[in-house]
Amino acid sequence: EPEVTQTPSHQVTQMGQEVILRCVPISNHLYFYWYRQILGQKVEFLVSFYNNEISEKSEIFDDQFSVERPDGSNFTLKIRSTKLEDSAMYFCASSEGDRAVGELFFGEGSRLTVL
Amino acid sequence: KQEVTQIPAALSVPEGENLVLNCSFTDSAIYNLQWFRQDPGKGLTSLLLIQSSQREQTSGRLNASLDKSSGRSTLYIAASQPGDSATYLCAVRGYGNKLVFGAGTILRVKS
Repeated sequence: EPEVTQTPSHQVTQMGQEVILRCVPISNHLYFYWYRQILGQKVEFLVSFYNNEISEKSEIFDDQFSVERPDGSNFTLKIRSTKLEDSAMYFCASSEGDRAVGELFFGEGSRLTVL
Repeated sequence: KQEVTQIPAALSVPEGENLVLNCSFTDSAIYNLQWFRQDPGKGLTSLLLIQSSQREQTSGRLNASLDKSSGRSTLYIAASQPGDSATYLCAVRGYGNKLVFGAGTILRVKS
């Protein structure tokens, strides 16, 4: 069964360092997303991406964050200068269709720990 | 701003019981509602997607209903098993392209 894959599963970094989280969405999907879940809190939306551009972003997704689809298969989230409060589980998701019909499929997540 | 609430926050039941998880949302202008399962430290597994025009969806022992006008959804799990133990999350998609999640119901099924 097709699935969303994410790497790394866990990354530990020092505050101020750059981090890149990688995702391979399901191959025929057109819409890509990043969500995050701080320990003990709700899953929250970061950004959606379609047709090689950001379609929507939350107030969390500030200038420290960027997304890219560098080739036909990968979708990345970059955090330019990590802060302690960026520690969270980051989930990539993809869907075949948009809001009206699209069921989202999530990856296993990348746990980011900022020291 | 859409708010999603799930009740109860935690539930412990003996194996074999039928149970109901509740989800409510404040803005009824939604495209769809999705139920997920999350095991500890793991990703989100999609269980059921209900479009706004639908009243319910079924998958195996799971049945989800949607009452859009009252802002409610329920997830019914029949004949619960220890393997059903997990956190169940409800999420709604409104006129943006994002899902808004509830805090989840932590389910424990005792053998």
